[in-house]
Amino acid sequence: KQEVTQIPAALSVPEGENLVLNCSFTDSAIYNLQWFRQDPGKGLTSLLLIQSSQREQTSGRLNASLDKSSGRSTLYIAASQPGDSATYLCAVTSGSRLTFGEGTQLTVNP
Amino acid sequence: DAGVIQSPRHEVTEMGQEVTLRCKPISGHDYLFWYRQTMMRGLELLIYFNNNVPIDDSGMPEDRFSAKMPNASFSTLKIQPSEPRDSAVYFCASSLSNIQYFGAGTRLSVL
Repeated sequence: KQEVTQIPAALSVPEGENLVLNCSFTDSAIYNLQWFRQDPGKGLTSLLLIQSSQREQTSGRLNASLDKSSGRSTLYIAASQPGDSATYLCAVTSGSRLTFGEGTQLTVNP
Repeated sequence: DAGVIQSPRHEVTEMGQEVTLRCKPISGHDYLFWYRQTMMRGLELLIYFNNNVPIDDSGMPEDRFSAKMPNASFSTLKIQPSEPRDSAVYFCASSLSNIQYFGAGTRLSVL
């Protein structure tokens, strides 16, 4: 059974800092990995999708990497802003199933 | 497209009552997913459909839970009878390719 773990559970940083969120998964037989953002009381928004054959994806200030063999992914956020404050979830796809980590709650302080 | 639409946004009910949650997926999407999110267990997949057919319902916690998708534009998740431990946020998502698009969720409180 696939298990996804995210570290840290919570992170508080001052505005402008670069930061890294970590995700690990137990079964490397994945189809892809996604990073989502969830704002309080809201649904999930897909940020980046990395196919299993890819090593990274970039969107604006976000960069996600994937090392399938070691079962790890990182989400790098450059020059963080208060608007980046949210919970970030990592999810891996096996078949059509998404298995989610428990998320990292990020607070960016002005 | 307005995205995935869920209703109601909030539901408060008493233990033992029947609860029906509704979802309208994005037009043209052929997969539909129901998730439950709690503080204790995070986001859990309950069931998903492909072309209106249930594919995997192994995440449905008990027989009290049932889901239907009578057509490509509508799905329901029903809990009968409801219990306080069913209190959670229930999300519906739809997809055409690998990316799932989530609704805003239904926050269910069972008293």
